[in-house]
Amino acid sequence: AQTVTQSQPEMSVQEAETVTLSCTYDTSENNYYLFWYKQPPSRQMILVIRQEAYKQQNATENRFSVNFQKAAKSFSLKISDSQLGDTAMYFCAWGSGGSNYKLTFGKGTLLTVNP
Amino acid sequence: NAGVTQTPKFQVLKTGQSMTLQCAQDMNHNSMYWYRQDPGMGLRLIYYSASEGTTDKGEVPNGYNVSRLNKREFSLRLESAAPSQTSVYFCASSPGTGPGYEQYFGPGTRLTVT
Repeated sequence: AQTVTQSQPEMSVQEAETVTLSCTYDTSENNYYLFWYKQPPSRQMILVIRQEAYKQQNATENRFSVNFQKAAKSFSLKISDSQLGDTAMYFCAWGSGGSNYKLTFGKGTLLTVNP
Repeated sequence: NAGVTQTPKFQVLKTGQSMTLQCAQDMNHNSMYWYRQDPGMGLRLIYYSASEGTTDKGEVPNGYNVSRLNKREFSLRLESAAPSQTSVYFCASSPGTGPGYEQYFGPGTRLTVT
């Protein structure tokens, strides 16, 4: 079974600084997708960034980028120029390349951006 | 577009009562999902529907039933609520049945069973 591990239950960062959230996963599949979702205090889950395992290039979305290390099964999220609105729970998720019916989520990292 | 909507937003039940959580999406998505979120546990899949007319169990289906009423609506029923079902429930949908599709989430229903 696939597992997703987020080893940092909580993190904090000063506004305008950079922070990296860690995620590791375990799978025997070669083709899969990885996601970072953000859940602000309003509870609505929003996709932050997506990475396709067959692509070597790391995905970027504005201030958000990932460091995807396939051999190490690591998928970290870097947030640059942190903003107060980045305060949220961040969930790492794994989805099969054979079917996206099911996502496996990590337990989440609570990120607090301090002014 | 409203996206994914859920009703109700909050609900308190007594042990043994039944209720149905409603979910609807207006994005013409094929696949829909129900998750529960508990503190320290992340999101766990209860049931999913890959397409209209099909439903399958996820990781934690016991105590729940689902109905894919049509392409837009996917309901979750608790027949006899238990305190262990106290949780926040999220409905989600995704555009297709292929890999890599993003899931779009509703705002959640906070359910307390006393």
